[in-house]
Amino acid sequence: AQSVTQPDIHITVSEGASLELRCNYSYGATPYLFWYVQSPGQGLQLLLKYFSGDTLVQGIKGFEAEFKRSQSSFNLRKPSVHWSDAAEYFCAVGPMNSGYSTLTFGKGTMLLVSP
Amino acid sequence: DGGITQSPKYLFRKEGQNVTLSCEQNLNHDAMYWYRQDPGQGLRLIYYSQIVNDFQKGDIAEGYSVSREKKESFPLTVTSAQKNPTAFYLCASRGTTGTWHQPQHFGDGTRLSIL
Repeated sequence: AQSVTQPDIHITVSEGASLELRCNYSYGATPYLFWYVQSPGQGLQLLLKYFSGDTLVQGIKGFEAEFKRSQSSFNLRKPSVHWSDAAEYFCAVGPMNSGYSTLTFGKGTMLLVSP
Repeated sequence: DGGITQSPKYLFRKEGQNVTLSCEQNLNHDAMYWYRQDPGQGLRLIYYSQIVNDFQKGDIAEGYSVSREKKESFPLTVTSAQKNPTAFYLCASRGTTGTWHQPQHFGDGTRLSIL
């Protein structure tokens, strides 16, 4: 069975500092990987996705993520955090086949941004 | 603008009462999903549907029911059998034609509470 681990429940970063949110997955084959962001009381917004090709993927709002097959990781990064980035971030994995139907989500990492 | 509309945003249920959460999408997506979100638990899949008149149980289907009579609509009923219904419920949809690595798009959620 596939699973996703986000080891950090909360992370606090100073505004302007760099950010890395960790995501490790367990899956028997090459997966689809996603990062979503959720503001309080809102739905999830897609930041970026990986399915093949270049292992460094660029997303919206200045985020990027790197797929490392050897480490089963898909960490999210941003070089300079803004106060508006404070939110909860979810990593998700889905099977890479033409009929993928469901995603498995991590439990999320809450990002707090200090002034 | 195309999107997913969930209503109501807040819903209260009395003991022993069934309630229905609405999810409507105008994205022309075939697949639709219902998730339950509890603090610190991430998203857990309740039910999903890949086509009209067909749906499958997710990981936590007990106490819930769905229907998919129209492509645009995927209502979720929380029955009296669901003993702990207080949660944030998210609906999502995904296109399945053309490129097959399409992400899920989310509504803004319904928060259900017990009176």
